[in-house]
Amino acid sequence: QKEVEQNSGPLSVPEGAIASLNCTYSDRGSQSFFWYRQYSGKSPELIMFIYSNGDKEDGRFTAQLNKASQYVSLLIRDSQPSDSATYLCAVRRKNTGFQKLVFGTGTRLLVSP
Amino acid sequence: DVKVTQSSRYLVKRTGEKVFLECVQDMDHENMFWYRQDPGLGLRLIYFSYDVKMKEKGDIPEGYSVSREKKERFSLILESASTNQTSMYLCASSFPLQSYSGNTIYFGEGSWLTVV
Repeated sequence: QKEVEQNSGPLSVPEGAIASLNCTYSDRGSQSFFWYRQYSGKSPELIMFIYSNGDKEDGRFTAQLNKASQYVSLLIRDSQPSDSATYLCAVRRKNTGFQKLVFGTGTRLLVSP
Repeated sequence: DVKVTQSSRYLVKRTGEKVFLECVQDMDHENMFWYRQDPGLGLRLIYFSYDVKMKEKGDIPEGYSVSREKKERFSLILESASTNQTSMYLCASSFPLQSYSGNTIYFGEGSWLTVV
């Protein structure tokens, strides 16, 4: 079992819809959870992070964390074609003083006009 | 704007060659990282450094070494390149985790290495 799992996709949604991206993790003691966006041929860029159960909103993006079920999700409201990218979920392991992140393989999102 | 610069974007090297990948950041970050990214495997941490001359092994350090002589520069070294090291290499940097923005890691544009 991979430490961080994501469906590779592609996830296809029409413009204006809500895109829902999911991620599960195996280490129950994981502390912080991150969503990165990576355009083709480009470097990952941080969208947001979450470390408490519940929802965290930032503009059109909402991260949801459920530690009991060991999943974290990212919702993108009013999806735009410019949101088409690969979304990487990353987890920081427990008891690490540094940003040693474990990444999932990413979910490719396609937003059609 | 934070800038993490990887000097070589595309390299082709022969098996057995010694390869240097250079990374420079301009944000005075304490932490620097080297990842490799492969299809189906995602990003995997090779080495990281939390201070000058300090280094820690990541998840896949075999076949690699690193050097950090100056705070802004972190080099990845392939002592004897092999075909299974063909990959995209990403350098990254950040402030310490305990700092206000310690959760944000900034990545460079990547270096595509092909070993033939």
